Order: sequence, then structure tokens, then C-alpha cells
Amino acid sequence: EVQLLESGGGLVQPGGSLRLSCAASGFTFSSFAMSWVRQAPGKGLEWVSAISGSGDSTYYADSVKGRFTISRDNSKNTVYVQMNSLRAEDTAVYYCAKTVWVVGKYMGVWGKGTTVTVSS
Amino acid sequence: QSALTQPASVSGSPGQSITISCTGTSSDVGGYNYVSWYQQHPGKAPKLMIYDVSNRPSGVSNRFSGSKSGNTASLTISGLQAEDEADYYCNSYTSSSTLVFGGGTKLTVL
Repeated sequence: EVQLLESGGGLVQPGGSLRLSCAASGFTFSSFAMSWVRQAPGKGLEWVSAISGSGDSTYYADSVKGRFTISRDNSKNTVYVQMNSLRAEDTAVYYCAKTVWVVGKYMGVWGKGTTVTVSS
Repeated sequence: QSALTQPASVSGSPGQSITISCTGTSSDVGGYNYVSWYQQHPGKAPKLMIYDVSNRPSGVSNRFSGSKSGNTASLTISGLQAEDEADYYCNSYTSSSTLVFGGGTKLTVL
């Protein structure tokens, strides 16, 4: 069974940093891209970033480009997102998702999410 | 990266069919056959319902179907059931090599 478990969320002050992790199991991790998607309280889904299976290619939404960095460690079956210069509008539940990116473009399996709150 | 346009809400009675539209541009929906649809129940993670415009993942009911015409994609749910009540989001690949979601549609089963 495919499982994704996010961690690292919490309360951080504006301007601060946080690193989220997503541990994957149940599939060949390096064969799939991974994405981060967020959902602000009471709002819709927003795609944040994706990374190829090898980690060679990364993609970002304009809203986080230059502030967030996605990475992965295929030896640990884990994907990360380093979030810097955090703003109140980054407050959201952050989901990681197993992503098909080469043949097709979709997020097939999602984790339960981790909550990030940016507030002083 | 403007969000795709979905109706805020749709409703239908059990057994009926409903369609949710998702309108983008030639730089996203119209330019690629990479539209996907996600169902989200309150407090839960999203679930993939349709991928690459019209493909259904294993385990998803055949009451769910997807299509696309020009810059507009559609999700149709036939034989509405109470358990279908949820938020639905479309998603598309874009010419900027990114993904973009629609604003979401709340489906109410009357």
C-alpha cells in the first residue's frame, strides 16, 4: 500500500523558515515525481512545487519561487520542501503527493497533510 | 498562473447527473490533455478521480467521467449518491511547466 506521511509543520514567525518532510513507502520512490500542494484555511487547493524522480528537475508556483526549495533523498524515500521568508499567506495545510509527470501529469496519491501557521 | 475557473457550487438530487466545468486558456486546459480532477471531503486529503482528461484510476466508480472541449474541461457524475457530496477541484498542466488548480466546486446532493 502506498503511504505518504508529512511532518515538520508548526508555528513560525513571519520571515522565518521551516522544512517539511514527506516519507514515502509502498512504491518505487525514485520512479515517481513528487509534489507539494497547500490549502489555506477555508480556501482551495494550490499547487506549490514538484520534483522529478531523479531530483534533476524542479518546478515552482510563482507565489513561492525564490523562497521555497524542493528536494528529495531517494535513499531515504523522502521529499522535502525548505520554506524561507515565510509570510502570513503561507499559512496552510501542506500535502505531499505521489506525482506522475513524464507520461501524464497528475497527483495519484496524497498524504494527510501537515499544518503550517505563520504568525507573530 | 491564474487559477482555472469553476462554478462555486452545483447541486443535484440522488440518481441525477451533474456536470462541473473547468475553464482555462490555450496555455493550460486547451493546450494539453493533462487535466485531472480531485474529490475532497471535509477534513480529508484530496483523492484523484480523473486523470489526463478522461481516464479513471482503478477503484474509482464508473459514474465519474471526464471530457474536454477547447479550453473547457468537464467532470460528469451520473447516478448521484449522497457520498458524492464533496468539493471538487480540476487541475491542469501549463505552458510554464507548472500545475494549476481551479477554485473548487462544492457539490451538494439534495
